[in-house]
Amino acid sequence: TQLLEQSPQFLSIQEGENLTVYCNSSSVFSSLQWYRQEPGEGPVLLVTVVTGGEVKKLKRLTFQFGDARKDSSLHITAAQPGDTGLYLCAGEFQAGTALIFGKGTTLSVSS
Amino acid sequence: ETGVTQTPRHLVMGMTNKKSLKCEQHLGHNAMYWYKQSAKKPLELMFVYNFKEQTENNSVPSRFSPECPNSSHLFLHLHTLQPEDSALYLCASSRRDSTDTQYFGPGTRLTVL
Repeated sequence: TQLLEQSPQFLSIQEGENLTVYCNSSSVFSSLQWYRQEPGEGPVLLVTVVTGGEVKKLKRLTFQFGDARKDSSLHITAAQPGDTGLYLCAGEFQAGTALIFGKGTTLSVSS
Repeated sequence: ETGVTQTPRHLVMGMTNKKSLKCEQHLGHNAMYWYKQSAKKPLELMFVYNFKEQTENNSVPSRFSPECPNSSHLFLHLHTLQPEDSALYLCASSRRDSTDTQYFGPGTRLTVL
């Protein structure tokens, strides 16, 4: 069974703080995606990474794909209450196969 | 806004009812998916259709019956459900090419009484 571990599971911080969420596996991903989900809604794609060592930025969010393509991180700078939500990573272990999702990190940012 | 719509958004049904969930994608994708999302569990893939053909069925009980009449529409027919089937049911679509980037609908919140 190919597992995809996310940490931390829950994170509660104050507005303006920085944070990092991790996504790890013992297997190599062919691609990895990060999604954000708000309560009662479906996940919304944030980014897809495919190349080892790749770094992508989306405003205050920075996504990094590990050199060996087994792990990824999401870093948020100066978090805002609007960043509150469930952050999911999903990996594709072989091109064309179904995504495997992590359990997610629930982020709460209070003002 | 995401190009994937789901109806109804909320559904309450008794264990003896029969109901259907509908999903429609306007993105020109060829693959469609049903997921179940329960509290404190990862998203569980239920079914995958690629070009209208079912390619995956992750040991889903027969009380859930999918139907994919074309690449743009996907249904999930429900009958004699159990209370533990209460969850958010999400539909997604993708091109199913080299990177399986999936686009999700808003989900149907199902409550089984």
